Amino acid sequence: AQSVTQPDIHITVSEGASLELRCNYSYGATPYLFWYVQSPGQGLQLLLKYFSGDTLVQGIKGFEAEFKRSQSSFNLRKPSVHWSDAAEYFCAVGPPGFQKLVFGTGTRLLVSP
Amino acid sequence: DAGVIQSPRHEVTEMGQEVTLRCKPISGHNSLFWYRQTMMRGLELLIYFNNNVPIDDSGMPEDRFSAKMPNASFSTLKIQPSEPRDSAVYFCASTLGQSSEQYFGPGTRLTVT
Repeated sequence: AQSVTQPDIHITVSEGASLELRCNYSYGATPYLFWYVQSPGQGLQLLLKYFSGDTLVQGIKGFEAEFKRSQSSFNLRKPSVHWSDAAEYFCAVGPPGFQKLVFGTGTRLLVSP
Repeated sequence: DAGVIQSPRHEVTEMGQEVTLRCKPISGHNSLFWYRQTMMRGLELLIYFNNNVPIDDSGMPEDRFSAKMPNASFSTLKIQPSEPRDSAVYFCASTLGQSSEQYFGPGTRLTVT
């Protein structure tokens, strides 16, 4: 069965510092991979997605993620964090051509001044 | 575009009462998803519809839960009778076609006392 692991429940980063959020997945073939962000009291918003091709994908708000098949990982990065990036981030995996997604448990990002 | 609309945004009810959550997907979208989010279990897919037809309801926790999509612009999730363990945030999401972004509504926060 497919699964997603986000090992960090909370991460605190200073404003202006770089960020990396970890995501590992379990799936029998190359899945579709997603990162979503959820601000307090809001629904989830898609940051970026990987289906195929270039393993480094660019998303909105200056985020990027790199798919590493050998490590079954899809880590999210941002070179310089802004206070408005404080939110919860979810990694999700789904089989190709299908819409049923499995979400990780989320990582809550705190940004310190 | 108004986005995915959910109502009510907050619902407080007593154990044993019937609860109905409502969702209006984005116009033109042909797939609709119901999720439940709790601290303990994270984000879980309950059921999804494609062209108004339920495709996979394996995530529905038990017979107390039911979902309908009578037309392309409206869906309901009903819990009868409700129990305190049903307290959660329920999200609706919609998408157009396969392999595309799921657009989430703002969620309904349900509290069962």
